[in-house]
Parts: sequence; C-alpha cells; structure tokens
Amino acid sequence: DTAVSQTPKYLVTQMGNDKSIKCEQNLGHDTMYWYKQDSKKFLKIMFSYNNKELIINETVPNRFSPKSPDKAHLNLHINSLELGDSAVYFCASSQSPSKRGVYGYTFGSGTRLTVV
Amino acid sequence: GEDVEQSLFLSVREGDSSVINCTYTDSSSTYLYWYKQEPGAGLQLLTYIFSNMDMKQDQRLTVLLNKKDKHLSLRIADTQTGDSAIYFCAESQGGSQGNLIFGKGTKLSVKP
Repeated sequence: DTAVSQTPKYLVTQMGNDKSIKCEQNLGHDTMYWYKQDSKKFLKIMFSYNNKELIINETVPNRFSPKSPDKAHLNLHINSLELGDSAVYFCASSQSPSKRGVYGYTFGSGTRLTVV
Repeated sequence: GEDVEQSLFLSVREGDSSVINCTYTDSSSTYLYWYKQEPGAGLQLLTYIFSNMDMKQDQRLTVLLNKKDKHLSLRIADTQTGDSAIYFCAESQGGSQGNLIFGKGTKLSVKP
C-alpha cells in the first residue's frame, strides 16, 4: 500500500564499502528523485529521472550512481563510502512537470545512512 | 538564481497560533507548497496555494501569499503538540513545469 517505498530504512556501513538504496513507487508517476538531507535537515536534490531518463544531475560526486530500470524504480548506488556521506536519503516521485499541478512530490520515508 | 528562505526555528505554546514565513525568488512559480516532516519520517504535502490566490484556508491552516513581495506564510491556529515538526516551503521553479525548490525548513516546537 505504501506509495513510495525505500529500502533499507537504516544502513550502517564502514568507510570504503559500496552500498545500494532501492526505491519503488506504485503511484504511476513518471518522474522520480533522490534527495539528501543533512544533519541540519537541509534538503538537496541529487538526481531526477523522467521516464527512465536522467534529467537532473546536481553536483554530486561520481561515486553516486543512480539507476532507473523502469519508471517505477530508481535505485542509488554509492561506491567507496565516506564519512561525509552519512545523511538521510529520500526518494520522491511526481507526475511529469506538465501534469503535476497541485500534487507536488510524494516522498518515501527515507534511508538513514551512517558511515563509520 | 532560485532561493527559498525560511527562519530555522519557531517556538510557541500549545493553543497559540503559529506563523511560519517564507520568501521565494521565482516570480513565475505557479504553485507554492508547504510540506511537513515529523521526526523520523519523510515529507508530507500539507497544503498548496495557486499563485493567483492571496489566501487559502483549510481547517486550522491558513496560507497567505503576497506575490508582489514573494512572501508566503503558513498560519496554524490552536497549535497542538502534534504539530511539532519541520515545515518546508517549496516553489515550483520556472512555472508549473519546473522542479520544486525547497527552503531549509522551519522547526516548530510546541510547548505544553
């Protein structure tokens, strides 16, 4: 029933490891996003995909690689994890901008990544 | 460039009204949104206002928009402890078809 679901909810890993976070939406949206929320709760967009195509790629280290196998899924793979990658990562989805209107974005509940 | 500004903290007593303010820069924003983030949870859309409106009321929530000053506010009447959360203002960049740009969030603390 969950509209935007992310797994895992918590992820604790050592520096240097590679990890993935998965996101799935069952709302029929065609645009998906990854946001990073830092310890001060500031939200920064990282990536946006529309119909499996990358449309936003903010200044993010290339250790971060998004992959969208279909428009209902957007995964985030992170290589060589660093301490500064510790944050909460949110997935979101929306209709494509021309259809989005009042509905804005629907967010997942977040993945808290802790790098030790 | 696009920038959405909010004060970071607001503390009120239970039963009082809370007013959270936001300024934005993109005058072509068609919709402006308020999102609520409770501890440990994702952001939930609380309300929105269309740019040709000055005010929108929804139960205890009142959104005021001053388009000339690019100022948006969210008033919560009879604030309850359950309203304690972070409130994010967001504008749609470049009109209705743009991406959402979020403010840094205002942490509302409600004291009993």
